Amino acid sequence: DQQVKQNSPSLSVQEGRISILNCDYTNSMFDYFLWYKKYPAEGPTFLISISSIKDKNEDGRFTVFLNKSAKHLSLHIVPSQPGDSAVYFCAAIGSGGSNYKLTFGKGTLLTVNP
Amino acid sequence: DTGVSQNPRHKITKRGQNVTFRCDPISEHNRLYWYRQTLGQGPEFLTYFQNEAQLEKSRLLSDRFSAERPKGSFSTLEIQRTEQGDSAMYLCASSLGGQYNSPLHFGNGTRLTVT
Repeated sequence: DQQVKQNSPSLSVQEGRISILNCDYTNSMFDYFLWYKKYPAEGPTFLISISSIKDKNEDGRFTVFLNKSAKHLSLHIVPSQPGDSAVYFCAAIGSGGSNYKLTFGKGTLLTVNP
Repeated sequence: DTGVSQNPRHKITKRGQNVTFRCDPISEHNRLYWYRQTLGQGPEFLTYFQNEAQLEKSRLLSDRFSAERPKGSFSTLEIQRTEQGDSAMYLCASSLGGQYNSPLHFGNGTRLTVT
């Protein structure tokens, strides 16, 4: 079963506009969430994270929002740039015994059009 | 920080052959992970080392798979008697300490094609 779900396989936005990527999770033991970005032929690279004790974390153009009651998080990119075009993976980790193991969603392909 | 290095980048093999992949983590990182990614999916956890000790193996890792990390430095992942279902991108990652303050650094992966 998919414990981390990214229901939008793809998203297309115009340069300069906001990109919003969504992620839902089912496992209530997850308490830390990360976003990774992946370009073709490269490994995923860490982008931003958020702890479950927070509802927002911001780093430059990237902001992650967490709604714990809804088990939902989102990544906002403002303003979007063509270089942001990549696959974005949401990942989660739990406070249980396996607190070193990331569970990934299937990813969302973001295309930012010039 | 020279990054996580994986070799080879690509491997094509015939069904039934054995293959071995190598991962060189970031030098000061004590934790090393192997993940597998198939088309349209996110990376899936395979196994984890803290220093030289292999602390967990996913049920995805059948007995045809073996991973080692001698001396707590580089790691190898061997697949014996490869099957077509083993075709995937094999990703290695490393980190310093726990996930909560040390995100994984991934290598560029080894793409395995089993014909």
